[in-house]
Amino acid sequence: NAGVTQTPKFRILKIGQSMTLQCTQDMNHNYMYWYRQDPGMGLKLIYYSVGAGITDKGEVPNGYNVSRSTTEDFPLRLELAAPSQTSVYFCATTGLAGTGELFFGEGSRLTVL
Amino acid sequence: DAKTTQPNSMESNEEEPVHLPCNHSTISGTDYIHWYRQLPSQGPEYVIHGLTSNVNNRMASLAIAEDRKSSTLILHRATLRDAAVYYCILSANNAGNMLTFGGGTRLMVKP
Repeated sequence: NAGVTQTPKFRILKIGQSMTLQCTQDMNHNYMYWYRQDPGMGLKLIYYSVGAGITDKGEVPNGYNVSRSTTEDFPLRLELAAPSQTSVYFCATTGLAGTGELFFGEGSRLTVL
Repeated sequence: DAKTTQPNSMESNEEEPVHLPCNHSTISGTDYIHWYRQLPSQGPEYVIHGLTSNVNNRMASLAIAEDRKSSTLILHRATLRDAAVYYCILSANNAGNMLTFGGGTRLMVKP
């Protein structure tokens, strides 16, 4: 089992470019999350999903979009990259909301210049 | 949302026990207490969680105050590999499980 796989691990974007961060889990979990972590700070929730076809906004959703067409995949799209989106992005999943262990990917480091 | 308060940093000597405190005075009756840690350049890693009773696992122990307004993560014998940022987080037992990560406590372990 790979757990939670994120790609790419590193990416440099120019202002205004678009890209998609991929997240795939092989744990058959319903709940998936996208967090961002700015240097020296804690994680902030961007979007989450409680199952295929269902997504909802977290604390900092502006500038991002998500989709959840399958249980396994939860891609995060940046439409018009801005320097403020320079961050490390983590995808996570759990099988039990509220009480379960969150499993995180290794992160995707994004720099917008 | 109920919030948690943790010291910014703590130091420990290798092979000694470490007690990491967390205050959560506005915790509700159904909030679970979670602890995660984040090693340098890695994603957060689950450590332990509990509701009311003290909990033990292979990584650590969680001591929860009787009034649940505070808790302590106990590492029984710190190793250099335990140097990380430790996050104390509350979550409601409902759909979504939106864990809110604060600043955490940076634990430094001295050899």
